[in-house]
Amino acid sequence: NAGVTQTPKFQVLKTGQSMTLQCAQDMNHEYMSWYRQDPGMGLRLIHYSVGAGITDQGEVPNGYNVSRSTTEDFPLRLLSAAPSQTSVYFCASRLTGPITTEAFFGQGTRLTVV
Amino acid sequence: DAKTTQPPSMDCAEGRAANLPCNHSTISGNEYVYWYRQIHSQGPQYIIHGLKNNETNEMASLIITEDRKSSTLILPHATLRDTAVYYCIVRALRTGANNLFFGTGTRLTVIP
Repeated sequence: NAGVTQTPKFQVLKTGQSMTLQCAQDMNHEYMSWYRQDPGMGLRLIHYSVGAGITDQGEVPNGYNVSRSTTEDFPLRLLSAAPSQTSVYFCASRLTGPITTEAFFGQGTRLTVV
Repeated sequence: DAKTTQPPSMDCAEGRAANLPCNHSTISGNEYVYWYRQIHSQGPQYIIHGLKNNETNEMASLIITEDRKSSTLILPHATLRDTAVYYCIVRALRTGANNLFFGTGTRLTVIP
């Protein structure tokens, strides 16, 4: 049971490049989400999904796309990277029943856009 | 979801109890208080949650005032590994998305 796995751990991109941050969970959680965390700040919600085929925008969705074709995977795509997207990205998952308690987070992807 | 207010930073001596306060004066009757922590830029970790009764688990205790407008997370015997940013979050338990929204939290430093 690996929990939430994010790849890569570190990435440097040039402005305008595209890339996909991977997130996978093996806990059969319906809910998955992506956050970004800038220095000295809390986490901000980018996109989330309550199940395969369902995605929605969070607080800061601009510049990012997501899809959810399987329960296990929730990739985050940067279509044209900008320096403002330099951040640490966290993926999280949990159950979505009425008793929703613990969210599990990955270890993060540290992205630098130059 | 109700807004929370936490002090930006606190210190605690190793081995002593760490008491982290959180104000949530606009909390609604169906909203729970959650605590997460983030150690050195790792992914946040769930600690505890409660509605109106005090709660305790292997990591911490949560004390919620009778009017539910504030709460305190207690780490009974703080260790150096408890140095982290602690987030107090208020949200209702309901089906569906029920997203977690993080503020800036309290940076707890445990001092040897």
